[in-house]
Amino acid sequence: EDQVTQSPEALRLQEGESSSLNCSYTVSGLRGLFWYRQDPGKGPEFLFTLYSAGEEKEKERLKATLTKKESFLHITAPKPEDSATYLCAGNSGGSNYKLTFGKGTLLTVNP
Amino acid sequence: ETGVTQSPTHLIKTRGQQVTLRCSSQSGHNTVSWYQQALGQGPQFIFQYYREEENGRGNFPPRFSGLQFPNYSSELNVNALELDDSALYLCATYSGGLRYNEQFFGPGTRLTVL
Repeated sequence: EDQVTQSPEALRLQEGESSSLNCSYTVSGLRGLFWYRQDPGKGPEFLFTLYSAGEEKEKERLKATLTKKESFLHITAPKPEDSATYLCAGNSGGSNYKLTFGKGTLLTVNP
Repeated sequence: ETGVTQSPTHLIKTRGQQVTLRCSSQSGHNTVSWYQQALGQGPQFIFQYYREEENGRGNFPPRFSGLQFPNYSSELNVNALELDDSALYLCATYSGGLRYNEQFFGPGTRLTVL
C-alpha cells in the first residue's frame, strides 16, 4: 500500500530562520512527487512536481528536492506569510491519477 | 486562484440524509478527482472520472458515487450520511495526457453531519 509520511507534524520558526520539511514515501511506480500549500479552510495550492531523484525546483523562498526515498522542502529566510500547512503527495500513475497525501506539516512563522 | 469552483461552500446535514456536491472544472480539463479531507489529515482519494466514466476508486464504500457531465463538470453524491463523513470535500481537475501534470484543486465544500 502506498504511504507518505511527513515530519515534523508542526514547526514554529522565527522570521528569517531557515529550515526543512521532510516527506518520506513508499509509492509503487512513483510518477511524480508533489508539494502543495494549504491555507486554513481552503483547497491545496500547487507548488512543485518532482519526477526523478536528484531533481530540484525553486520558487521564491522555497526549494524542493527529491531522492529515491524522500523529498525535502527547504524554506529559506521565511516570512509570516509563509505560514500554512505544507502537503506532500505521491502519484502512483497507472491508469488513473491518484495522489496519496501525507498528513502535512503545519508551519508557523513568527514575526 | 485556479479556475476550479465548488458549491456549496458549506453544508450541514443530519445522519442518514443524502448530499450532492458540485465541481466545475478548469477550462480544458477533462479529468476530475474527488478527495475527502478530515480535520488534521491529508486529503484521501475517493474516485476519479475521465470523459464521464469512473477511472479509479479509493477505499470508500458504494454510498459514495459520482457523475461527470459532457462539459466535464462533476458531482459527488453521498447517501446515508454518517457522522464520520464530516470533512472538507475537494475536487481537483487536470488535463489527461502522457505527463502527469499538476492537478488544480477547488476551494472545497465543508460538510458537517450532525
